[in-house]
Amino acid sequence: AQSVTQPDIHITVSEGASLELRCNYSYGATPYLFWYVQSPGQGLQLLLKYFSGDTLVQGIKGFEAEFKRSQSSFNLRKPSVHWSDAAEYFCAVAPSGGSYIPTFGRGTSLIVHP
Amino acid sequence: EAGVVQSPRYKIIEKKQPVAFWCNPISGHNTLYWYLQNLGQGPELLIRYENEEAVDDSQLPKDRFSAERLKGVDSTLKIQPAELGDSAVYLCASSLGGGDSYNEQFFGPGTRLTVL
Repeated sequence: AQSVTQPDIHITVSEGASLELRCNYSYGATPYLFWYVQSPGQGLQLLLKYFSGDTLVQGIKGFEAEFKRSQSSFNLRKPSVHWSDAAEYFCAVAPSGGSYIPTFGRGTSLIVHP
Repeated sequence: EAGVVQSPRYKIIEKKQPVAFWCNPISGHNTLYWYLQNLGQGPELLIRYENEEAVDDSQLPKDRFSAERLKGVDSTLKIQPAELGDSAVYLCASSLGGGDSYNEQFFGPGTRLTVL
């Protein structure tokens, strides 16, 4: 079965600074990979996904993620963080060729200082 | 276009009481999902419907949890009786369904349940 590890429970950055949220997955083949964001009181929103092809994926809100097969990682990045980016971020993995049902990591809480 | 609607947004009950959550998916979405999100954790799938048929309910604790999706639109998730450990956020999501292609899931805001 697939699994996801988000090693950082909290990340604190200053507004305008760059951001990288870490995600490692465990799966026998190349999985489907996702990043979601959850703002307080709101549902999860898909930021981006990787199925195949170019390993650098662009998403919404200026986010990008890079799939590195050799490191089993799918880290999320943003060059300049805005205060509105403060939220909970979830990495998720789904088995390739399956029903696309994601298995979520425990999440990383992003705190943005002014 | 309205998103996924869930009610109530918050519910506080005493243990051993029954509770029900309601979800109205995005219009035209045939697939509906119920997830459980414990504090500090990511969501976990409880049940998935394709129209009115439950196609994946392996993670639903059937001794106390039940779900239905009459007419393939709205859905209700019920817990009877509730236990202290059921305190969590219950998320509903929907997507265009069917076939082997990917369809993005759209999530509702969730129902936060507190069992005292």
